[in-house]
Amino acid sequence: NAGVTQTPKFQVLKTGQSMTLQCAQDMNHNSMYWYRQDPGMGLRLIYYSASEGTTDKGEVPNGYNVSRLNKREFSLRLESAAPSQTSVYFCASSESPFWGVGPQHFGDGTRLSIL
Amino acid sequence: SQQGEEDPQALSIQEGENATMNCSYKTSINNLQWYRQNSGRGLVHLILIRSNEREKHSGRLRVTLDTSKKSSSLLITASRAADTASYFCATAANTGGFKTIFGAGTRLFVKA
Repeated sequence: NAGVTQTPKFQVLKTGQSMTLQCAQDMNHNSMYWYRQDPGMGLRLIYYSASEGTTDKGEVPNGYNVSRLNKREFSLRLESAAPSQTSVYFCASSESPFWGVGPQHFGDGTRLSIL
Repeated sequence: SQQGEEDPQALSIQEGENATMNCSYKTSINNLQWYRQNSGRGLVHLILIRSNEREKHSGRLRVTLDTSKKSSSLLITASRAADTASYFCATAANTGGFKTIFGAGTRLFVKA
């Protein structure tokens, strides 16, 4: 099993450009998450989806939109990229539809640089 | 500030030694989880300990939880070079739907 797959692995954008980060899981999990990881700050939640068709804002949602296309896929979109969004982005999934109840499974991240 | 804060920020030990990392948190929790992150990779779940548990083991890992002190520790016994990684605690708060917050991590370096 692949687990959680994120694409692309690396991306360089110019300020103002848009892009979508893709995430898919093959574990039939209910919940999916998008985090960003910055040096010295741990992971911060951007958005969370408990099930298909539902999304909730996390700690740092500004500048991002998400779409839970189906149970497998959860995409993150930057409409107008800013240098402050330079980060490593992680997608995760968990079996429970309730946040925090069980372990999360992570992809290997997308390293995004915005010039 | 982060709910979970790891201590120390960095730790360097020799292979075969034990490594202990601590996590402190501020509010009541439902559970606390420990994750490992190898360089350039995603986080991998290690252990989940619930608020009514005091200790859990998994192979060379031992996690303790002291809810009265709002702290947890992760002990790695007989460390190996392959244990070199960052270790994060994640606390699931006991209110508002178990909001989970990750700490900034402890960087462990095991010298061969």
